[in-house]
Amino acid sequence: NAGVTQTPKFQVLKTGQSMTLQCAQDMNHEYMSWYRQDPGMGLRLIHYSVGAGITDQGEVPNGYNVSRSTTEDFPLRLLSAAPSQTSVYFCASSRPVRPYGYTFGSGTRLTVV
Amino acid sequence: DQQVKQNSPSLSVQEGRISILNCDYTNSMFDYFLWYKKYPAEGPTFLISISSIKDKNEDGRFTVFLNKSAKHLSLHIVPSQPGDSAVYFCAASFTGTASKLTFGTGTRLQVTL
Repeated sequence: NAGVTQTPKFQVLKTGQSMTLQCAQDMNHEYMSWYRQDPGMGLRLIHYSVGAGITDQGEVPNGYNVSRSTTEDFPLRLLSAAPSQTSVYFCASSRPVRPYGYTFGSGTRLTVV
Repeated sequence: DQQVKQNSPSLSVQEGRISILNCDYTNSMFDYFLWYKKYPAEGPTFLISISSIKDKNEDGRFTVFLNKSAKHLSLHIVPSQPGDSAVYFCAASFTGTASKLTFGTGTRLQVTL
């Protein structure tokens, strides 16, 4: 049982480059989310999805796109990387009923130079 | 505007003693609260949750207390063990937004021998 799998674990991008952070879960969870963690800021919600074909913006969505074509996958796209997007990114999934203790992936550490 | 606040960035406790981690929130619509534990280079792990219809929830060594009138919750760990050394995040959501968790900034707990 893999849970939530994120790839890659580490990535260095140049300013202006684009890339996709991959996230897959094998628990048939309806809810999936992307968070970023920055020092002193906790985890902030970027985008989330309540099911395949349904996505919405979180607290800090600018510069990121998402899609949810299947229940299992929820990729996060950086359109034109900026140094302000240097962060650790976490994908999470959950059942839609309480107690919904989200299961997190192990994270992607992204550096934009 | 930080809706979920953890005002203590760090806490040091001796092994065997009680650890008390605190969390305050400002949005009175929050009705479900969660605690997560995070080790370095790993994703957060769900610990325990509480609904606003309760004021206490226990799971082994972990107990969460909720004081709705004060908009305050706390996590008690008894007895504390060295393996509890980690960053602890509280998070909140409200009915209809279960897919969106709002996190605090975290408290780093160190359990010393």
